Amino acid sequence: GENVEQHPSTLSVQEGDSAVIKCTYSDSASNYFPWYKQELGKRPQLIIDIRSNVGEKKDQRIAVTLNKTAKHFSLHITETQPEDSAVYFCAGNGANNLFFGTGTRLTVIP
Amino acid sequence: KAGVTQTPRYLIKTRGQQVTLSCSPISGHRSVSWYQQTPGQGLQFLFEYFSETQRNKGNFPGRFSGRQFSNSRSEMNVSTLELGDSALYLCASSLVKGEGEQYFGPGTRLTVT
Repeated sequence: GENVEQHPSTLSVQEGDSAVIKCTYSDSASNYFPWYKQELGKRPQLIIDIRSNVGEKKDQRIAVTLNKTAKHFSLHITETQPEDSAVYFCAGNGANNLFFGTGTRLTVIP
Repeated sequence: KAGVTQTPRYLIKTRGQQVTLSCSPISGHRSVSWYQQTPGQGLQFLFEYFSETQRNKGNFPGRFSGRQFSNSRSEMNVSTLELGDSALYLCASSLVKGEGEQYFGPGTRLTVT
């Protein structure tokens, strides 16, 4: 089945700096890659997703890039703010189900 | 539109007991997936139901089972509870199986003593 690896597990950045989280996947048939944000004590919520026919997608300060050949995709957050502090999960849809990475705890230092 | 709901929100059980958790998806969503969330392990896929049929199952022992009813509500059952089963159990519903946004419920926090 699909195996999604995510790095780093923790990331601290100064407010205003950029943050990058990287994921790799194993199933070449995967064609949908969402990113979820989970704030402390809350449920995961989708923040951006990308399909395999697109190399990059941007939504305000958030962007995701996908390299199908290398089987990796990344989340980029620019001009980070304290409210970006959360755990971020990447996922891939191998075998028609979402398989999640182990999460990245992002801390934005004011 | 009402979101995904899960009951109960908190549960304390002792080893050897069994437990049933419930999930009500967003109206119109036919796909319900279950995940186990533990610190350091992220979200681990348990199983997915679509139109009352289990489509996929993750790498969990047979003590973990589930079902889906005709109204798309889903239950998961864990028998012979072990200490390691303590976790947050999340369900998520979606319109389309396999892709598209999954909407998560608030989770059931299970503690096994």
